[in-house]
Amino acid sequence: DIQVAQSPSTLSASIGDRVTITCRASQTVNNWVAWYQQKPGKAPRLLIYKASILLSGVPTRFSGSASGTEFILTITSLQPDDFATYYCQSSSTFGQGTKVEIK
Amino acid sequence: EVELVESGGGLVQPGGSLRLSCVASRFSFSNYWMSWVRQAPGKGLEWLAHIRDDGSADNYVDSVKGRFTISRDNAKNSLFLQMNSLRAEDTAVYYCAREVIGGVVDLDYWGQGTLVTVSS
Repeated sequence: DIQVAQSPSTLSASIGDRVTITCRASQTVNNWVAWYQQKPGKAPRLLIYKASILLSGVPTRFSGSASGTEFILTITSLQPDDFATYYCQSSSTFGQGTKVEIK
Repeated sequence: EVELVESGGGLVQPGGSLRLSCVASRFSFSNYWMSWVRQAPGKGLEWLAHIRDDGSADNYVDSVKGRFTISRDNAKNSLFLQMNSLRAEDTAVYYCAREVIGGVVDLDYWGQGTLVTVSS
């Protein structure tokens, strides 16, 4: 089974900051990586799939990139609505999550 | 807007059974693979199972294989999860979700979730 290691587990940032979250897969996944945002008490929201395809309606400050088995979610210019927990997912395995907190 | 509404959660004793339902609307349900995902209180997401658009194939995570069964009724735009031999560690919010690309667990629409509590 594919293992997915997501880091960091918590990230403190300020409005306007550039934020990156990393996900490493244990083997080649052909860029089949998705990123989700979840707010407390709510269902997750898909942001990006196939490593870099932005879902319709997702702000363009979100982007995804890939290099081998390392995948990165970048949020440029963090906004108040972006404070949430983010999960990567590959081949049905979710990462452990990254909570983005206000610094 | 696509809508998924789960129901059937509740309190059940260890060893008991429960059947969750998910009713879909505002999209062609029969054209999409569907998944179940759960989230234990304060924990991360765990994918459980998915089923092909026509119901002819399914797959499960090892932790529920042999205990949980996913099924669907395309005539009623409904997805189900039959859960047997429930354990305390099955306590979680259970979500149904639609797959963007059939057979690939990238989930673009989710229900609001239904809480299952396994306790005596």
